[in-house]
Amino acid sequence: GAGVSQTPSNKVTEKGKYVELRCDPISGHTALYWYRQSLGQGPEFLIYFQGTGAADDSGLPNDRFFAVRPEGSVSTLKIQRTERGDSAVYLCASSPGQVDDEQYFGPGTRLTVT
Amino acid sequence: GEDVEQSLFLSVREGDSSVINCTYTDSSSTYLYWYKQEPGAGLQLLTYIFSNMDMKQDQRLTVLLNKKDKHLSLRIADTQTGDSAIYFCAETPPDATNKLIFGTGTLLAVQP
Repeated sequence: GAGVSQTPSNKVTEKGKYVELRCDPISGHTALYWYRQSLGQGPEFLIYFQGTGAADDSGLPNDRFFAVRPEGSVSTLKIQRTERGDSAVYLCASSPGQVDDEQYFGPGTRLTVT
Repeated sequence: GEDVEQSLFLSVREGDSSVINCTYTDSSSTYLYWYKQEPGAGLQLLTYIFSNMDMKQDQRLTVLLNKKDKHLSLRIADTQTGDSAIYFCAETPPDATNKLIFGTGTLLAVQP
């Protein structure tokens, strides 16, 4: 079956602009995660959804970052007033929804802020 | 606190064993994981170990856990060139969200 997909695969934007990154989880997975991976680092947790609600958003770095999952499937990560330090690969993962279920990762969106 | 550390680089010859090490600080983590990341590909779960286990073997992979020293290792037997990748250890804090806390990653280079 289809895995987790993310669009776009690459995004280049100018400093100060607004961007949206999309994640399509595996069908039927109720849990969805966003991570950010900076160059040379491991992925860093941003936010976790269980269904439509954000169960844990403690990893969002500041109020420029926001994520939604209005119908409990597709999720959008939104970044306002982008800064050069936001440049990273943004990874999405989904899981069936039980504690300790395996997370399946998408290929990521590489965001470059110039 | 939550902090996971790994050595940055490991080079081995094809056919040798590789051992990738990881230290973590959250002793209450319930599961510890090893992920593999190849260029242009997503993170792939290789194996995991429950915190009440000392060892887990899965084909060419052996995971050792020393809870006293908060040390986790991944041994790859008969390393192949296809094993060249970045390997991340990860833990889940016991707060029921299942978020993963990743290490910095170890780049494994396998020489033919």
